[in-house]
Amino acid sequence: EAGVAQSPRYKIIEKRQSVAFWCNPISGHATLYWYQQILGQGPKLLIQFQNNGVVDDSQLPKDRFSAERLKGVDSTLKIQPAKLEDSAVYLCASSDDGTENTEAFFGQGTRLTVV
Amino acid sequence: AQSVTQLGSHVSVSEGALVLLRCNYSSSVPPYLFWYVQYPNQGLQLLLKYTTGATLVKGINGFEAEFKKSETSFHLTKPSAHMSDAAEYFCAVSSRRRALTFGSGTRLQVQP
Repeated sequence: EAGVAQSPRYKIIEKRQSVAFWCNPISGHATLYWYQQILGQGPKLLIQFQNNGVVDDSQLPKDRFSAERLKGVDSTLKIQPAKLEDSAVYLCASSDDGTENTEAFFGQGTRLTVV
Repeated sequence: AQSVTQLGSHVSVSEGALVLLRCNYSSSVPPYLFWYVQYPNQGLQLLLKYTTGATLVKGINGFEAEFKKSETSFHLTKPSAHMSDAAEYFCAVSSRRRALTFGSGTRLQVQP
């Protein structure tokens, strides 16, 4: 089966610019996650969707980050305006039912560099 | 609240030697525990997971981990390291329908 698809793979922008990332989860997976992985750290959850509803966005910096999953399938994550500290790899993951013991499958990530 | 601590950001072993990567967790409810591996410029791949039942869990590529509730630990081991095991390893915990909380990772180097 096809894995989690993310695009673009790499993005370089200047601070204060905006950027958007796209994710297409594994077909049929109800739960979608966006994680931020700063160099040298483990992934940190930004937002969790169940179908097209938000389950957890407590760690999403809502003044500059937004995410949507309008039809309960693919998702976009946007940063506007970007700061230097947003440089990181943004990982998208999906799981079939979002329960705590099911495996989350990860995409290859989008590496963002803010200069 | 749930959290994970991985002891040692870098571990270096010789090819053929034992691999031991340490993970301690904190959770107010019975945890589900995971080990993921990340190769350069790749996403994370599940190595193994503990949910309920047997406390010794076997995963892919010859790795295994043992859940020890009394020590709040879930250390990852492999009897004999291979060059292809060089990667970053992440321990993670989840509970009560919450998403995974990851540790800071351990980079494993395998020396020839």
